[in-house]
Amino acid sequence: SQELEQSPQSLIVQEGKNLTINCTSSKTLYGLYWYKQKYGEGLIFLMMLQKGGEEKSHEKITAKLDEKKQQSSLHITASQPSHAGIYLCGADGAGNMLTFGGGTRLMVKP
Amino acid sequence: EAGVAQSPRYKIIEKRQSVAFWCNPISGHATLYWYQQILGQGPKLLIQFQNNGVVDDSQLPKDRFSAERLKGVDSTLKIQPAKLEDSAVYLCASSTAGVYNEQFFGPGTRLTVL
Repeated sequence: SQELEQSPQSLIVQEGKNLTINCTSSKTLYGLYWYKQKYGEGLIFLMMLQKGGEEKSHEKITAKLDEKKQQSSLHITASQPSHAGIYLCGADGAGNMLTFGGGTRLMVKP
Repeated sequence: EAGVAQSPRYKIIEKRQSVAFWCNPISGHATLYWYQQILGQGPKLLIQFQNNGVVDDSQLPKDRFSAERLKGVDSTLKIQPAKLEDSAVYLCASSTAGVYNEQFFGPGTRLTVL
């Protein structure tokens, strides 16, 4: 079965700083999703990557999938308190089911 | 557009009791998922429905968990009897049919088993 490992597990940054979260798969990724979760809430879809080398951006968040399609990174530029939460990567498996990584807990200090 | 609805939002029960969760997916979404998220971990898929048929329930502890999706719309997830290790957030998600489709998640039901 596919396993996803996220690093770091937690991160505290000062407002305005850049940060990167990594997601590494044990198998080739055919669909990689990034979600954000705030405490006590459901998951909010951020981006989905499919092709090797693909990069997508939304506001100050950029996600990339490496050429070998086994690693993805999520980069936040000029972090804000609103970026705080848990970031989860999910891999598309058979039948569109998602396998998730353990999550990265981000805190942004004002 | 209304999102995925779940109820209750919170539930506290004692071990060996029964509990049921309800999910109403986004209108028109054929695929419905139930995930279990233990504190500090990512969500784990329990069961996936396509309309009212089960696509994958390989990670559902069938000795105590059951789920149904009558008429291909709403779904219920039941635990009977509950164990301490069932304490988690139960998330429902829905998507349109097909692959690589975004899953829309509900707010979840936080279950505490004492």
